[in-house]
Amino acid sequence: QVQLQQSGPGLVKPSQTLSLTCAISGDSVSSNSAAWNWIRQSPSRGLEWLGRTYYRSKWYNDYAVSVKSRITINPDTSKNQFSLQLNSVTPEDTAVYYCAMGATRARFDSWGQGTLVTVSS
Amino acid sequence: QSALTQPPSVSGSPGQSVTISCTGTSSDIGTYNRVSWYQQPPGTAPKLMIYEVSNRPSGVPDRFSGSMSGNTASLTISGLQAEDEADYYCSFYISSSTFVFGTGTKVTVL
Repeated sequence: QVQLQQSGPGLVKPSQTLSLTCAISGDSVSSNSAAWNWIRQSPSRGLEWLGRTYYRSKWYNDYAVSVKSRITINPDTSKNQFSLQLNSVTPEDTAVYYCAMGATRARFDSWGQGTLVTVSS
Repeated sequence: QSALTQPPSVSGSPGQSVTISCTGTSSDIGTYNRVSWYQQPPGTAPKLMIYEVSNRPSGVPDRFSGSMSGNTASLTISGLQAEDEADYYCSFYISSSTFVFGTGTKVTVL
């Protein structure tokens, strides 16, 4: 059973960078079958997939078109975790952010507990 | 492909069956078996209930079932129980840079 534990600040100022980390237990970030995702949820936008990282003999990243110019997702093999960085945030980026593991690239099998991130000065 | 359309709410009495629809604007949704369903009780993270249209992960009760007709996927809860009260979302994987979620349906057990 994969468990995901999120950490990171709950308040970010406009124009700054949102950073979250997701620690993995029960699997490896370097798994050749899993994908490691970030998803957010807000009343105005609903559930929104942001992007993922996965390893298939080398590392790959896929990002949603809506955030592609501002997002970076990185694996950390030494700590068995992965991270989200979202640059130049605005109040519209206020949401609950989730990390999620997919046993295939087409679904989300396990989720983190969620982190409410508020963008405000 | 814009957001998948779901009814805002459905309700039923304990023991009854309810069905939630999920309609896409693209014919792709009916072409590939990439539809999943998630249950989200208030204040908690979503939980995978159905994947690849009709498959249940280990531990999900068999009263939850999924199907597809044309460009509409459906989730049916048979023998509704109080613990099934939650929001339900469908999702569809289109391509490497596109996942689409449904608008969400609140299931109320009367």
